[in-house]
Formats: sequence, C-alpha cells, structure tokens
Amino acid sequence: EPEVTQTPSHQVTQMGQEVILRCVPISNHLYFYWYRQILGQKVEFLVSFYNNEISEKSEIFDDQFSVERPDGSNFTLKIRSTKLEDSAMYFCASSEVRQVGGYTFGSGTRLTVV
Amino acid sequence: QQQVKQSPQSLIVQKGGIPIINCAYENTAFDYFPWYQQFPGKGPALLIAIRPDVSEKKEGRFTISFNKSAKQFSLHIMDSQPGDSATYFCAASNLGTASKLTFGTGTRLQVTL
Repeated sequence: EPEVTQTPSHQVTQMGQEVILRCVPISNHLYFYWYRQILGQKVEFLVSFYNNEISEKSEIFDDQFSVERPDGSNFTLKIRSTKLEDSAMYFCASSEVRQVGGYTFGSGTRLTVV
Repeated sequence: QQQVKQSPQSLIVQKGGIPIINCAYENTAFDYFPWYQQFPGKGPALLIAIRPDVSEKKEGRFTISFNKSAKQFSLHIMDSQPGDSATYFCAASNLGTASKLTFGTGTRLQVTL
C-alpha cells in the first residue's frame, strides 16, 4: 500500500536554529498538508499546499514557517528560528483530490527543541 | 466555533466490551466527520467517516452514530479486542470550503484481556 514517508523520524535542535522536515507524498497525490501534535494533545492543522502554492494556513503557521516542493517528489516544512514551544510531532499528509477523506498521513517527525 | 470536543480522555474496557467515544461540534458548516486511529509512533489512520445525511454508519466492528440536531457524533467499537488499544481522534471538516481537518483532543483506549 502506498505510504507517505517522513524523514528524519526524530530531530533534536537547539533553540534559534533552522530545521527542515522532509516528506515524500504518495506519487499521484496533488494536495499536501502539514499537521502538528504537541505531546499528549490534539492534532492541529498547519498548512495545505496545492499547485505549488499555499491554499490554506492556520494561525500557528506564522512567518517562521514555510513550505516548499523543491522537486517532483519532496515536500518540506522549514522552521526558521525554532522555539521551545515548537517541540512536537509533525505529520505530513497527502491526498489525491481536495477531499479530507482521502488523506494519508506519514508516521511523523518528532522535533525536540532544546 | 471551530472546536471539536471529545470525551472521555481515556477509557479502559475488557475484551469483548463496547467502548463508546463521544464528540460534539459547534460549527454547523461542518459536513464531514471522520474518526482516526493512531498507534504509538504512527500517524493517524482513517477508520470510518460519516456525512450528516445519515444517522449511522457501520464498517466491520466500528459504528458511527450521528445526531445532527444535537451536533454530536460517537464511535462504538463492537466486540473490542486488545489490538484496538490505540488513541482515537474524531475530526470534522467542511468539504466544500476547506481542506483542513479540525481534530478532537483524542481518547486513549485500552482493551484488557
């Protein structure tokens, strides 16, 4: 069964450093998403991306965040200057059409900011 | 108004029991209500979903009950098994206007032998 692949599985970074979280969506999917889950809390929407541009973003997705599809396969989330409160599990998801039911989530990247 | 409230926070049932997890929403524009199952170290996986034009949907041992007037929906797991032990999230969305999911706070289910 096709999978959404995320790397790394765990990233530790110092406060103020930049991090890039990587995702390889399912190959024929056109819509891409990032969500985050702070430990023990609910999953929160960050951003959706289609046709090489952001289609929707939450209030969490401020200027320190950016997304990019640098080539035909990768989808990245960049956090420019990490803060302690950015520590969370970050999930990438993709869907073939603009339909939430078609989401496939990756296994996540656990980001720890120290 | 975008919140989805979920209860209980955690639940322990014996094998064969029927755990019930409840969710309530406020935004009447929501028209798609999925449930996700998440195992430790994994991403959420779609379990079952319902649209508001029906009051109940069954898939295998999983049933969603939907009460549009009360703005509530619930997940029932029939004949629960230890392998069902996971965290369950309800969610909601408006398929016409938004691509994002609004998740509930999650219920950690443990099914004991």
